[in-house]
Amino acid sequence: QEQLQESGPGLVKPSETLSLTCTVSGGSIRNFCWSWIRQPPGKGLEWVGYICDSESTNYNPSLKSRVTISVDTSKNQFSLRLNSVTAADTAVYYCARRRSMMSSFDPWGQGTLVTVSS
Amino acid sequence: EIVLTQSPGTLSLSPGERATLSCRASQGIRNTYLAWYQQKPGQAPRLLIHGASSRATGIPDRFSGGGSGTDFTLTISRLEPEDFAVYYCQQYDNSPLTFGGGTKVEIK
Repeated sequence: QEQLQESGPGLVKPSETLSLTCTVSGGSIRNFCWSWIRQPPGKGLEWVGYICDSESTNYNPSLKSRVTISVDTSKNQFSLRLNSVTAADTAVYYCARRRSMMSSFDPWGQGTLVTVSS
Repeated sequence: EIVLTQSPGTLSLSPGERATLSCRASQGIRNTYLAWYQQKPGQAPRLLIHGASSRATGIPDRFSGGGSGTDFTLTISRLEPEDFAVYYCQQYDNSPLTFGGGTKVEIK
């Protein structure tokens, strides 16, 4: 089974862009769907978006205007960019795999905390 | 958007007892595209059940899922000490993908 590992800055200033990368090991990033999910401290889970087959994307409407998910097959990585962040975007960000557009999230990365603060 | 409501918010039980968690959807979920996850403090969620009733790889058979349409349940037949955690349901029938608010199973 693949292993996923998130990486990126733990602190982002308000109005700037949050950028995270998920590195997939133990398998190819091709032919699956790759997702980002976030969890504000002490709260529940929120789906951010996913990319399938390296090109087809779907984003949560609540974030759609600010989110971009992309894949780099040469590095076996996928990335999240979230523009114009505010304190409300402070959360643990998880990356996860879906076998297809109609499947659950498994496995998950360990998560990375991103704090939005000046 | 399909809203998932989990109940109860907190379940206080003793090891060895049976736990029954509920997840109710605001509209019918086709093809039982519903999953359950377990999350322990400081850890990522772990997939327990997919397709409403299929256990994920390596999940003990004391965990079982059921239901269809708008009403789903997760049952833990006999609670082990490692089962005290927060449990989330999630639907993948419709976009946006949504999660329930969670049920915390705590030691009584």
